[in-house]
Amino acid sequence: NAGVTQTPKFQVLKTGQSMTLQCAQDMNHEYMSWYRQDPGMGLRLIHYSVGAGITDQGEVPNGYNVSRSTTEDFPLRLLSAAPSQTSVYFCASSYTPGQGASSTEAFFGQGTRLTVV
Amino acid sequence: GNSVTQMEGPVTLSEEAFLTINCTYTATGYPSLFWYVQYPGEGLQLLLKATKADDKGSNKGFEATYRKETTSFHLEKGSVQVSDSAVYFCALSGARDSSYKLIFGSGTRLLVRP
Repeated sequence: NAGVTQTPKFQVLKTGQSMTLQCAQDMNHEYMSWYRQDPGMGLRLIHYSVGAGITDQGEVPNGYNVSRSTTEDFPLRLLSAAPSQTSVYFCASSYTPGQGASSTEAFFGQGTRLTVV
Repeated sequence: GNSVTQMEGPVTLSEEAFLTINCTYTATGYPSLFWYVQYPGEGLQLLLKATKADDKGSNKGFEATYRKETTSFHLEKGSVQVSDSAVYFCALSGARDSSYKLIFGSGTRLLVRP
């Protein structure tokens, strides 16, 4: 049972560098999303997708890009990292009601701790 | 807009004490409500959920009841253990204008001392 797999677990970037955070799920979930977790602010939604080829912005999308070419993968790209993007990033996936599943519970990856210096 | 408000932590209790973590929400329509738990260094796991008014979710001794009249979903446990030390997040989804999005509260850290 792989569930939701995120890589890498830790990353240090210099300001201005780019990188991609990987997220993969093996549960055939149509809905996938990215959150960032900052102290005292809970989890804030960055981007989400309701299926391959469909993405949309969440609460804090600036500085991040996503794509969804397959059901399984939902990478998050930082084009030019800034210190304000230092955070812990979580990927999550779930069934959508249209998939006819008994539960739309969200499953989370283990997180990626990103530091931008 | 849709939002979730939780009591601020940390909450520090002795083992076997009674736990309540308050959660209230603002949402249009009829959202589902969730409690997630995050143990140190890990991702979030679903603890319990309720999908309609007056439903009670329960798991591992934790309970929460969906109260539409007070827009609340307070988490309770009768006797906490050291192993319950974690961060607890209240969340909602399925609000009328938010589709599948999970909206989280800010989290409440629980510390249980032996």
